[in-house]
Amino acid sequence: GESVGLHLPTLSVQEGDNSIINCAYSNSASDYFIWYKQESGKGPQFIIDIRSNMDKRQGQRVTVLLNKTVKHLSLQIAATQPGDSAVYFCSFRDNYGQNFVFGPGTRLSVLP
Amino acid sequence: EAGVTQFPSHSVIEKGQTVTLRCDPISGHDNLYWYRRVMGKEIKFLLHFVKESKQDESGMPNNRFLAERTGGTYSTLKVQPAELEDSGVYFCASSLWKGGSGELFFGEGSRLTVL
Repeated sequence: GESVGLHLPTLSVQEGDNSIINCAYSNSASDYFIWYKQESGKGPQFIIDIRSNMDKRQGQRVTVLLNKTVKHLSLQIAATQPGDSAVYFCSFRDNYGQNFVFGPGTRLSVLP
Repeated sequence: EAGVTQFPSHSVIEKGQTVTLRCDPISGHDNLYWYRRVMGKEIKFLLHFVKESKQDESGMPNNRFLAERTGGTYSTLKVQPAELEDSGVYFCASSLWKGGSGELFFGEGSRLTVL
């Protein structure tokens, strides 16, 4: 079945450093990917998305990289701040077009 | 504009009892999803409505789970009878999904604890 996996379940970074969160996916036909951030007690919130016809997309302090050859997705956060501490989920559109598969998430902890 | 709202935020019931979770999507969003996160694991898809129709319910674990979406507005997810393994956080999300893209807007989740 389709699956999304994360290389690191937890990540600790110093405040001000850059963070990189990785994700591997199994469905080579997927054409749309989204990163979500979930803070404690809240639902996942959209961070950034990318289509399969792109390999990089930048937002405010965040960059998503897509490597379709190896089915790998990453989220880079520049100058990580305490407010970035959360669980980050990658997701991709499944074979049926409008549903999304989520991974187990990576917990990002920002150290002072 | 109001976001996706879910009720209750937390429900504690005993095994064998019934619980009904409610989700009010963002107004105008035809797509409504139910997801579940168990024991801090991945967010698992349960089902997807387009308006009042079930587009995909392949993620529903068994026939103890029943989802409805009356008139294409709010949705309910009933678990009857509840089992211990049903404990987890149930998320509802809605989206517009136009032009082949569209983020899911999530509610804050309903935490279900089955004792």
